[in-house]
Amino acid sequence: DAKTTQPPSMDCAEGRAANLPCNHSTISGNEYVYWYRQIHSQGPQYIIHGLKNNETNEMASLIITEDRKSSTLILPHATLRDTAVYYCIVRVAPISSGSARQLTFGSGTQLTVLP
Amino acid sequence: GAGVSQSPRYKVAKRGQDVALRCDPISGHVSLFWYQQALGQGPEFLTYFQNEAQLDKSGLPSDRFFAERPEGSVSTLKIQRTQQEDSAVYLCASSLDQVGTEAFFGQGTRLTVV
Repeated sequence: DAKTTQPPSMDCAEGRAANLPCNHSTISGNEYVYWYRQIHSQGPQYIIHGLKNNETNEMASLIITEDRKSSTLILPHATLRDTAVYYCIVRVAPISSGSARQLTFGSGTQLTVLP
Repeated sequence: GAGVSQSPRYKVAKRGQDVALRCDPISGHVSLFWYQQALGQGPEFLTYFQNEAQLDKSGLPSDRFFAERPEGSVSTLKIQRTQQEDSAVYLCASSLDQVGTEAFFGQGTRLTVV
């Protein structure tokens, strides 16, 4: 799986949009971008994933650049409960029995939402 | 329950002691994963089950680590002769499908070896 680079920490004001960047310059054509977050003392939580089109769900939006070398996770209206470590993960769609299915986590970005 | 349940939540073991960590995945989930998370680090993959079959154990750090899922539901991660470097949070995750599209994680078991 391709390597990702994220800033170690970011702050965001409550109620404002939080934009978390991720670089994945070595991403391959069959690799997806996944985002998970981990609130303190909890297990990671799935947020969203995408291949090349922008994606949106009830939690967040994922914007992937046209060349797919970077992406941004957007939390439109950050709340204090969004304070967590956010992990950007690139993985191949595991469609065959021999494919790796596990997630390869990096160090992530510690997002702190400030009141 | 509705989510992945792990027990115990905290475990203190003396060095050399054997420990067993339990994971109850979401009912019906085919895939089950174990991860190890050291303090301040992201989780690291240990092993993967598809139903009762252990298809990947490449992340197990030594032969002291053993995992099983005999009936394709509950899984146990066993660590023999624990060492201080085994101190970490052990996370279990399950996924409905065979490819782990969306993994649901438990809260983890924090193991401290003294």
